[in-house]
Amino acid sequence: DVKVTQSSRYLVKRTGEKVFLECVQDMDHENMFWYRQDPGLGLRLIYFSYDVKMKEKGDIPEGYSVSREKKERFSLILESASTNQTSMYLCASMLSGAGGTDTQYFGPGTRLTVL
Amino acid sequence: DQQVKQNSPSLSVQEGRISILNCDYTNSMFDYFLWYKKYPAEGPTFLISISSIKDKNEDGRFTVFLNKSAKHLSLHIVPSQPGDSAVYFCAADDFGNEKLTFGTGTRLTIIP
Repeated sequence: DVKVTQSSRYLVKRTGEKVFLECVQDMDHENMFWYRQDPGLGLRLIYFSYDVKMKEKGDIPEGYSVSREKKERFSLILESASTNQTSMYLCASMLSGAGGTDTQYFGPGTRLTVL
Repeated sequence: DQQVKQNSPSLSVQEGRISILNCDYTNSMFDYFLWYKKYPAEGPTFLISISSIKDKNEDGRFTVFLNKSAKHLSLHIVPSQPGDSAVYFCAADDFGNEKLTFGTGTRLTIIP
């Protein structure tokens, strides 16, 4: 079974703080993703990575950066947290396949509150 | 621009009856579609998928139908059970693109 773990289930930070969200997968997947989930907006892709040290912007990258120094680990960084970044953050991983036939496996999510 | 739409934010169905969740898409390049199920405080879990070369895929109580000409897919759950109460997301992918585009989700409540 694929396991995707996220460092925290709940996190409370103050405006302006630097925030690190960590994600680790144990299945040697090439692709990793960061989403945020907000009511009425579904899952929106922030960043993804298809290999170590590679990253691509998703649909809503503003205010975020990412780091992928090792294949199994993908970090999401909020350089200066703001209240509009209060959300559920979901990490996912996927084996790189023949394009579009592999499912993404999600971690349990981190509920981030920025005060 | 929302390329994958789930127009019903919520749906309530009696236990034992059929649940039908709908999803529409606009991008004709999408060729693979997935349904995910999400419980509160958990990550989404994969439920069922369908390739654009098919119009139906079945897995136990779950069946996904794809109507390419209408750019519409639906998830049927028969019979519905209380454990099916969750938020359901449809997602779409196009060949060669490792990203998924998700809909906004439908909250399904099964009434005992």
